[in-house]
Amino acid sequence: GDSVTQMEGPVTLSEEAFLTINCTYTATGYPSLFWYVQYPGEGLQLLLKATKADDKGSNKGFEATYRKETTSFHLEKGSVQVSDSAVYFCALSDFGQGAQKLVFGQGTRLTINP
Amino acid sequence: DTGVSQNPRHKITKRGQNVTFRCDPISEHNRLYWYRQTLGQGPEFLTYFQNEAQLEKSRLLSDRFSAERPKGSFSTLEIQRTEQGDSAMYLCASSLVSTGELFFGEGSRLTVL
Repeated sequence: GDSVTQMEGPVTLSEEAFLTINCTYTATGYPSLFWYVQYPGEGLQLLLKATKADDKGSNKGFEATYRKETTSFHLEKGSVQVSDSAVYFCALSDFGQGAQKLVFGQGTRLTINP
Repeated sequence: DTGVSQNPRHKITKRGQNVTFRCDPISEHNRLYWYRQTLGQGPEFLTYFQNEAQLEKSRLLSDRFSAERPKGSFSTLEIQRTEQGDSAMYLCASSLVSTGELFFGEGSRLTVL
């Protein structure tokens, strides 16, 4: 079945550092790819998405590019802030199954120190 | 409307008891999803509804689990004869068919003693 693998956390960085969280996937079809973020005490929120190969999703300074050849969707940000501290989840969805049923990675906890 | 609402936020119960969680989706959303998240893992799909029809159930949803969405609005997830392995965060999400973007609630945490 479809699956998502994320780099293991936790990840701790200093403010203004460059961030990369790796994500690779396995899917039989042509999935859409997502990054969700969960801030402390809040529900999951969609951060960005890409629906086809070579698409780049971006939001709040975060970016991720859908790489079909490497089956990857790595999350990057050039300069992180303390407010970016959260748990980040990579996910895929194969609309061919009839609904947006998401398959999530295990999550990566990010802590940004001032 | 402020988003997807879940109640209760935390439930502690003894093994063997029944529990029920409620989800109120965003009012115009016609799809509603239930996911389960255990500690240190990502959410796993349990089931989803389109309006009042339950269209898919995961193999994770044993016979002790039942979900309903009787009028196509709110949904309930009942777990009968709870086991310690049922301890998890139960997440509800809703979406429009047209856009597909899922909006998640804050979750209901179940602790089975």
